[in-house]
Amino acid sequence: GQSLEQPSEVTAVEGAIVQINCTYQTSGFYGLSWYQQHDGGAPTFLSYNALDGLEETGRFSSFLSRSDSYGYLLLQELQMKDSASYFCAVRVPIYNQGGKLIFGQGTELSVKP
Amino acid sequence: GAGVSQTPSNKVTEKGKYVELRCDPISGHTALYWYRQSLGQGPEFLIYFQGTGAADDSGLPNDRFFAVRPEGSVSTLKIQRTERGDSAVYLCASSPTWAGTGELFFGEGSRLTVL
Repeated sequence: GQSLEQPSEVTAVEGAIVQINCTYQTSGFYGLSWYQQHDGGAPTFLSYNALDGLEETGRFSSFLSRSDSYGYLLLQELQMKDSASYFCAVRVPIYNQGGKLIFGQGTELSVKP
Repeated sequence: GAGVSQTPSNKVTEKGKYVELRCDPISGHTALYWYRQSLGQGPEFLIYFQGTGAADDSGLPNDRFFAVRPEGSVSTLKIQRTERGDSAVYLCASSPTWAGTGELFFGEGSRLTVL
């Protein structure tokens, strides 16, 4: 089976740093992605980790430990516009035909002034 | 168009009716995915096309759901004998190959309401 666990909600203040954790249990693993979704909008891609370690993209960083089946998204210098839902998603193999993404239930981030 | 286009954006239907949802992926993207998202939940995988063929349809809930992609571009998700539990946002996503970078490009979704 496939399962991903992430906190359902997180609250932080503008300018702060927040970390959203994700643990996973999947049949096969290619990598871990993170997506952002504002209310009523489409999920948009933030980052992807295929190897262990930290990937940094501007204010956002993502970390992966494959041995621990664990990753996190780190958001720095929080802004009001960062209030959204954040999803971790594991890319799992499809035999001989690439991969698909299995999503977690999402973490709703509320940024307060 | 520049992005993934889905029509209709909203569909209200009655229980038992037939529904078709259309997805127009980004030009040149060979991989196409359908997901379903209920309120407060993450996107749930339904089906994946690589070109014209369904490479993985393991997420389709039952045989009332069917999807096609006859020419390897536009895809249609078809739902027969709709039930109230089918109400959700149906998301389509595409990627250049098989999402080797973990990046899918999503459309805005088709919100289906079954009364």
